[in-house]
Amino acid sequence: GDSVTQMEGPVTLSEEAFLTINCTYTATGYPSLFWYVQYPGEGLQLLLKATKADDKGSNKGFEATYRKETTSFHLEKGSVQVSDSAVYFCALSEIYAGNNRKLIWGLGTSLAVNP
Amino acid sequence: AAGVIQSPRHLIKEKRETATLKCYPIPRHDTVYWYQQGPGQDPQFLISFYEKMQSDKGSIPDRFSAQQFSDYHSELNMSSLELGDSALYFCASSQSLGQEETQYFGPGTRLLVL
Repeated sequence: GDSVTQMEGPVTLSEEAFLTINCTYTATGYPSLFWYVQYPGEGLQLLLKATKADDKGSNKGFEATYRKETTSFHLEKGSVQVSDSAVYFCALSEIYAGNNRKLIWGLGTSLAVNP
Repeated sequence: AAGVIQSPRHLIKEKRETATLKCYPIPRHDTVYWYQQGPGQDPQFLISFYEKMQSDKGSIPDRFSAQQFSDYHSELNMSSLELGDSALYFCASSQSLGQEETQYFGPGTRLLVL
């Protein structure tokens, strides 16, 4: 079945460092890909998305490019801030069985940014 | 912009009690999803509704039931609560747009079963 694999955390960086969180997927069709962020004690927020190959999603300085050839959707940010400390989830959504959709989640990567 | 509303935000129950969680989707969204997230885990899909009909079922225990009402709000009913039901319960809503569909999450209800 479909699956998402993302790099294990925790990831600890200093402020202004470059961030990469790897995410790869397996899917039988043509999924949409998402990054959600969960700040401490809060709910899940959509960070960015891409719906087809070579699309680049971007938001708040974060970027991810939908790479079909490598089945990847790595999250990057050029200069992280303390306020970026959170858990980041990679997910895919695919239509199946008619009109049903399901989000398949990675296990989440915890990011801690130190001042 | 309007977001998904969930109530209550926090709930404390005893074992074997019942709980009802409510979800109000973003206006004009026709699909509602329920997820359960244990500590340090990824969200687990429970159940979804499209246009007030159950559309998919995930790892929802038989003790749980849910429905979507005519105003599109949804309720998750949990009976015979167990300690292991303590978790964060998220509702998400979306508007059917084929491949473009995106799920938007509410802030969650944190359930503690004592």
